[in-house]
Amino acid sequence: NAGVTQTPKFRILKIGQSMTLQCAQDMNHNYMYWYRQDPGMGLKLIYYSVGAGITDKGEVPNGYNVSRSTTEDFPLRLELAAPSQTSVYFCASSLNQGSGANVLTFGAGSRLTVL
Amino acid sequence: AQKVTQAQTEISVVEKEDVTLDCVYETRDTTYYLFWYKQPPSGELVFLIRRNSFDEQNEISGRYSWNFQKSTSSFNFTITASQVVDSAVYFCAPDTGTASKLTFGTGTRLQVTL
Repeated sequence: NAGVTQTPKFRILKIGQSMTLQCAQDMNHNYMYWYRQDPGMGLKLIYYSVGAGITDKGEVPNGYNVSRSTTEDFPLRLELAAPSQTSVYFCASSLNQGSGANVLTFGAGSRLTVL
Repeated sequence: AQKVTQAQTEISVVEKEDVTLDCVYETRDTTYYLFWYKQPPSGELVFLIRRNSFDEQNEISGRYSWNFQKSTSSFNFTITASQVVDSAVYFCAPDTGTASKLTFGTGTRLQVTL
């Protein structure tokens, strides 16, 4: 099992460009998440999904969009990149078994710089 | 409002010292879960422990132990006989509602030197 795979690992964008961060998991997890981590800070939730076709906003969704067409994939799209979106992005997944808070498995992260 | 606080920004210890990382979670919820994650210099996030608010027993796993006290809203993490490999940022993260969404504290950077 590869776990949670994020691509690309690094990317530099110019202001106003768009891009998609890819996230895939092979653990048959039903829940998936996107977090961002700014330097010296904790992670903040951007979007999450509890299953294919279902997405919802987290704490900092502005400037981002997501889709969940399959259980495995949860891409994050940045439209009109801004310097404030310079961050490390983490995708995570978890298996909800209805018995309490799930343990999240994180990808290795994608470092995005907007210049 | 719910609030998670890791007041220690950075801690430096010499190898073999014991060190305690503090976490305070203020909430009106009576049922919740608390997590600790480790982020080593390589950047990935590693799950360490999950505890629920009904279980105040101390947990020990090797050199790691956790003390949860609901009365003071604290969920502290102690590393006994620290090692250089323990150098990392440690995050306390409560589960703040549905879908297992975690709210991360700002983290405590632990530096263990020889």
